[in-house]
Amino acid sequence: AAGVIQSPRHLIKEKRETATLKCYPIPRHDTVYWYQQGPGQDPQFLISFYEKMQSDKGSIPDRFSAQQFSDYHSELNMSSLELGDSALYFCASSLAGIAYNEQFFGPGTRLTVL
Amino acid sequence: KNQVEQSPQSLIILEGKNCTLQCNYTVSPFSNLRWYKQDTGRGPVSLTIMTFSENTKSNGRYTATLDADTKQSSLHITASQLSDSASYICVVSFSGNTPLVFGKGTRLSVIA
Repeated sequence: AAGVIQSPRHLIKEKRETATLKCYPIPRHDTVYWYQQGPGQDPQFLISFYEKMQSDKGSIPDRFSAQQFSDYHSELNMSSLELGDSALYFCASSLAGIAYNEQFFGPGTRLTVL
Repeated sequence: KNQVEQSPQSLIILEGKNCTLQCNYTVSPFSNLRWYKQDTGRGPVSLTIMTFSENTKSNGRYTATLDADTKQSSLHITASQLSDSASYICVVSFSGNTPLVFGKGTRLSVIA
């Protein structure tokens, strides 16, 4: 079965550079969530989108922005990167209205800021 | 502040043994509780999901229990295997499409 796809899987950037992470949800899923997981930390919710509209906002820095496109894929744009942005970034998708509203996670993008 | 707390932080067991991981939460209102398995550097994979009306749910060698009155859940792993070595994360959802609240996980190491 198709799963959540994230690209790239690994990304190395310098401080103050920009990065774009992409997430392709499971087909027919209409909701996308972004999480940030620092080393040894639990995932922290950043932002979510439902039907291409922002549905919830967590601890996403002002330097980051995200959107969901007409094909339901989502992109997380990160600017003015800082060393502390080094983390695993997970995308999860779900289908609203389905029992449990289960979120399926992608494999993550490991971002390293040097 | 809503929290999900797990214990123990880490656990080492011998292959073939059973173990039980604990989760206490203070999330309210409560929609459902999930247990995820996360291998290092990989995305979390769902093991079980339970609503407040469900007391137990099994998935192979994994059995989760839920006591909505005391806001406690446990994950029991039977006949552990080396491949069970991972972080087990308890996650609670408020309701609907709201974000998940993650516990810090229990790091399980199964040794031969």
